[in-house]
Amino acid sequence: EVQLVESGGGLIQPGGSLRLSCAASGFTVSSNYMSWVRQAPGKGLEWVSVIYSGGSTYYADSVKGRFTISRDNSKNTLYLQMNSLRAEDTAVYYCARDKGYYYGDWGQGTLVTVSS
Amino acid sequence: QSALTQPASVSGSPGQSITISCTGTSSDVGSYNLVSWYQQHPGKAPKLMIYEVSKRPSGVSNRFSGSKSGNTASLTISGLQAEDEADYYCCSYAGSSTFEVVFGGGTKLTVL
Repeated sequence: EVQLVESGGGLIQPGGSLRLSCAASGFTVSSNYMSWVRQAPGKGLEWVSVIYSGGSTYYADSVKGRFTISRDNSKNTLYLQMNSLRAEDTAVYYCARDKGYYYGDWGQGTLVTVSS
Repeated sequence: QSALTQPASVSGSPGQSITISCTGTSSDVGSYNLVSWYQQHPGKAPKLMIYEVSKRPSGVSNRFSGSKSGNTASLTISGLQAEDEADYYCCSYAGSSTFEVVFGGGTKLTVL
């Protein structure tokens, strides 16, 4: 059974940093495209970043230069390092298995709140 | 890239059919057969309902169907049931020179 479990969210001050984790089971992270998608409170979904199986990474313009997606193959875990956080980054962050520009498996999400 | 345009809300009675539209541009919906649809109940993660315009994942009811014409994609739900009440989001690949995915703003489906 495929399972994705995010962790690492919390309350952080503007300008701070946070690292989200997404532990996968039932499949191999490094053999798949993996994405982060976020949802601000009461708002719609927003694609954040993707890492290809070959290691290439891409980011939404809104987070480019501040967020870094990575993975640890030995731990079968996806990460999102978030720096220089802003109030507008407040959202539930989901990791998702990207099956080719669509998302077939999702985690339960982790809430990031950026506030002083 | 701007978000895809969806109606804020639609409604229907049990047993009826409804259609949710998703309008993009020639740079996203119009250029790629890579439109997907997600159902999201309150407090839950999104669930894939349709991918590649009209394909249904295993386990998704055949009451859900997708189509596309030009820059507009559509999700049709037939034989509405109470449990279909949820938010629905469309999504399209939008990158050519760089990777980009855009979502619609979401549509709240109310089953009357």
